[in-house]
Amino acid sequence: DSGVTQTPKHLITATGQRVTLRCSPRSGDLSVYWYQQSLDQGLQFLIQYYNGEERAKGNILERFSAQQFPDLHSELNLSSLELGDSALYFCASSVAGAISNEQFFGPGTRLTVL
Amino acid sequence: GQQVMQIPQYQHVQEGEDFTTYCNSSTTLSNIQWYKQRPGGHPVFLIQLVKSGEVKKQKRLTFQFGEAKKNSSLHITATQTTDVGTYFCAGPYNNNDMRFGAGTRLTVKP
Repeated sequence: DSGVTQTPKHLITATGQRVTLRCSPRSGDLSVYWYQQSLDQGLQFLIQYYNGEERAKGNILERFSAQQFPDLHSELNLSSLELGDSALYFCASSVAGAISNEQFFGPGTRLTVL
Repeated sequence: GQQVMQIPQYQHVQEGEDFTTYCNSSTTLSNIQWYKQRPGGHPVFLIQLVKSGEVKKQKRLTFQFGEAKKNSSLHITATQTTDVGTYFCAGPYNNNDMRFGAGTRLTVKP
């Protein structure tokens, strides 16, 4: 158990819909990262927040957005969902803001878009 | 674009045999990290290498960072069934993008 929690564990929805994934970092960690893992694309970094502010941005689509709240939990919003968005979405956290810090991954949310 | 290439994609070994996965970056990295993901699990941090030519060991695992800081390897000696999983390398690009290799899936036959 990494100490990072993610909800929900599974999510099934339809194309065109919008969903919100939630992540709570380890106690004391200020950074939250979001990743997408699909079979054909591997593990893709989406975005990082550090202490409430966006710190780094990877291959995140415009249909996706994220935020980190004052209590440091984070939400990833996915809208206008497409079949290709079906994937495992991982959240990770680290103590500091540098993207190269050791990251602790949560169990993931499996999103299925039908 | 900047890429992290990892080979092989799959490796099937007999228990007790050695295993190596290789990672190559198109550009110099400030550091490289290795993660392990068990089937159905999440990535777990193994180690970070920072210095050119650095070699680190964790029991049966040996990690190496190339002199040019563009390649890295993970070697497992005498594999065990508990070593099963996918091993990923990852490196930061421009300090704002973490790139992961495609991973090497290791299976171990008892």
